[in-house]
Amino acid sequence: SQTIHQWPATLVQPVGSPLSLECTVEGTSNPNLYWYRQAAGRGLQLLFYSVGIGQISSEVPQNLSASRPQDRQFILSSKKLLLSDSGFYLCAWSGGGQSYSNQPQHFGDGTRLSIL
Amino acid sequence: AQSVAQPEDQVNVAEGNPLTVKCTYSVSGNPYLFWYVQYPNRGLQFLLKYITGDNLVKGSYGFEAEFNKSQTSFHLKKPSALVSDSALYFCAVRDLLGSARQLTFGSGTQLTVLP
Repeated sequence: SQTIHQWPATLVQPVGSPLSLECTVEGTSNPNLYWYRQAAGRGLQLLFYSVGIGQISSEVPQNLSASRPQDRQFILSSKKLLLSDSGFYLCAWSGGGQSYSNQPQHFGDGTRLSIL
Repeated sequence: AQSVAQPEDQVNVAEGNPLTVKCTYSVSGNPYLFWYVQYPNRGLQFLLKYITGDNLVKGSYGFEAEFNKSQTSFHLKKPSALVSDSALYFCAVRDLLGSARQLTFGSGTQLTVLP
């Protein structure tokens, strides 16, 4: 069966520090991968998605970047964190290929990021 | 463009009573519709989806949802609520005609089941 792992679960960082959040998927190949931010326990904002290694699409301009160095690894980064980067970050995967549109996304358990 | 609305921020229901969490959508073509549940400090868990076929879709944990094309709705239902159903529920849509690979999520509905 497929599993998705995110780490760390919680992170406290000072303003201006760098960030690296990692997400890995097991049990599937060539997944579509997604990074979301959830503010105040409510709506999800799609930050980035990827349909393959090295292919990243950004949905909103921001202080963050994403990379996909391996098929099942997705990394969210920042060079200098802002206070506004605080939130709950969720990674998700779905089946790739032509059937992507009817496949649900499956989420990791998230990283709670607090910026001080 | 695709969009989804969850008109109720909060739904309260007594344990054992039926529950409904409302969702309406807007798409250019035919929709793919999904329901997710989120428990505190956890990721979203997939409950059920509507792709095509029967308008009544059955999913995990006894939940079901009814697709109504004329009303552009996809309400989540359960005949008898449990206290453990208390959580945040999200509806999501993808437009079959759209090129977007992403889902559009509603703003969420907090369900509280009272003992």
